[in-house]
Amino acid sequence: GAVVSQHPSRVICKSGTSVKIECRSLDFQATTMFWYRQFPKKSLMLMATSNEGSKATYEQGVEKDKFLINHASLTLSTLTVTSAHPEDSSFYICSANLGVDQPQHFGDGTRLSIL
Amino acid sequence: AQKITQTQPGMFVQEKEAVTLDCTYDTSDPSYGLFWYKQPSSGEMIFLIYQGSYDQQNATEGRYSLNFQKARKSANLVISASQLGDSAMYFCAMRERVNAGNMLTFGGGTRLMVKP
Repeated sequence: GAVVSQHPSRVICKSGTSVKIECRSLDFQATTMFWYRQFPKKSLMLMATSNEGSKATYEQGVEKDKFLINHASLTLSTLTVTSAHPEDSSFYICSANLGVDQPQHFGDGTRLSIL
Repeated sequence: AQKITQTQPGMFVQEKEAVTLDCTYDTSDPSYGLFWYKQPSSGEMIFLIYQGSYDQQNATEGRYSLNFQKARKSANLVISASQLGDSAMYFCAMRERVNAGNMLTFGGGTRLMVKP
């Protein structure tokens, strides 16, 4: 069964709206979660590493004020796309590790469409 | 330089035949892990198989096996007896120990299409 739950699976909204995406670890605690963005027919691009109780670590070129990450508990990380515009339309997917030598388990992803 | 390279953007295979998906990697870290994930058109990432850099034997999981050639820095995925449901994108990924956060670096992916 799923070990990482991501919600919502699909969002369609108007330009200027802020959108929050949740990523939950099920039955385990995740001090670190990862947020990826994927364009059509492309690979996953790491946006940021979400750290429980501290600030997220953003990859180069990712606007931290645009993509707000909060990891307030050991089982929940949220990504908020602030004032979304059509160019923010993409597939966003989160992941978490069960342990050091364990694979990352992914949520089912969120398809974001900004009109 | 690319850390993970998948040279086959797309591949066809006949149902019930075996197929090999290529993956080469670049790292100076002596401790690393290699992963393969499957992504169907619905978008979810499904973990298939893992190979640690110190593992002596090639990893196997059911119809999936990993042909790990450390000296050549390659970690090819072999799918035996292909099924129609194997049609998907396949990503090779690497995790280096030096990355304390255990982040993954992904290759560009290979789209596998299984023909009936």
